Amino acid sequence: NAGVTQTPKFQVLKTGQSMTLQCAQDMNHNSMYWYRQDPGMGLRLIYYSASEGTTDKGEVPNGYNVSRLNKREFSLRLESAAPSQTSVYFCAVRTRGATNEKLFFGSGTQLSVL
Amino acid sequence: SQQGEEDPQALSIQEGENATMNCSYKTSINNLQWYRQNSGRGLVHLILIRSNEREKHSGRLRVTLDTSKKSSSLLITASRAADTASYFCATADTGRRALTFGSGTRLQVQP
Repeated sequence: NAGVTQTPKFQVLKTGQSMTLQCAQDMNHNSMYWYRQDPGMGLRLIYYSASEGTTDKGEVPNGYNVSRLNKREFSLRLESAAPSQTSVYFCAVRTRGATNEKLFFGSGTQLSVL
Repeated sequence: SQQGEEDPQALSIQEGENATMNCSYKTSINNLQWYRQNSGRGLVHLILIRSNEREKHSGRLRVTLDTSKKSSSLLITASRAADTASYFCATADTGRRALTFGSGTRLQVQP
């Protein structure tokens, strides 16, 4: 199935632990995004990548790093997890056509930091 | 900070009624999009309206945009229980490459 695949779906970390959230697309589009969603706050942009090899900070980049090694994959790394990073993380791919554009989202990673 | 602010935050209606959600934003935009999120799932794109458009329809959805007031509305006609979800507006701001999302409206459609 075409789309955006995120792994893992759930993760529990202890404060100070590190982990990498993986995102892969088979849609062959350039732009990819990482958002976090906290209760009642909608989505906030962490980082985005306009193309392979480029990344830019979003609204809430502190405590995160990203890597876009190829067109398919865009990973998000937490080097030293903090309770404030407990959230649901979504990866998205931007598609742009002649008359439309939209984001396709993965199913999300629910992260708890204890 | 959030670009779009939805109003109301929560809405409960009966099946068959219409549901209207509003979105206000702050900056100049290229387009405004509406997304739907079912509980525990990712967001799904519903409709896009460009800054030079005033109204757009897609099935039971009707979107309006007033750039002078920096506001948009999403109307769902003849609602169904399956429309129960959270709805988010998102703006493609002029000069930015990423969408900025509002805080969402939680819609509950009672059967």
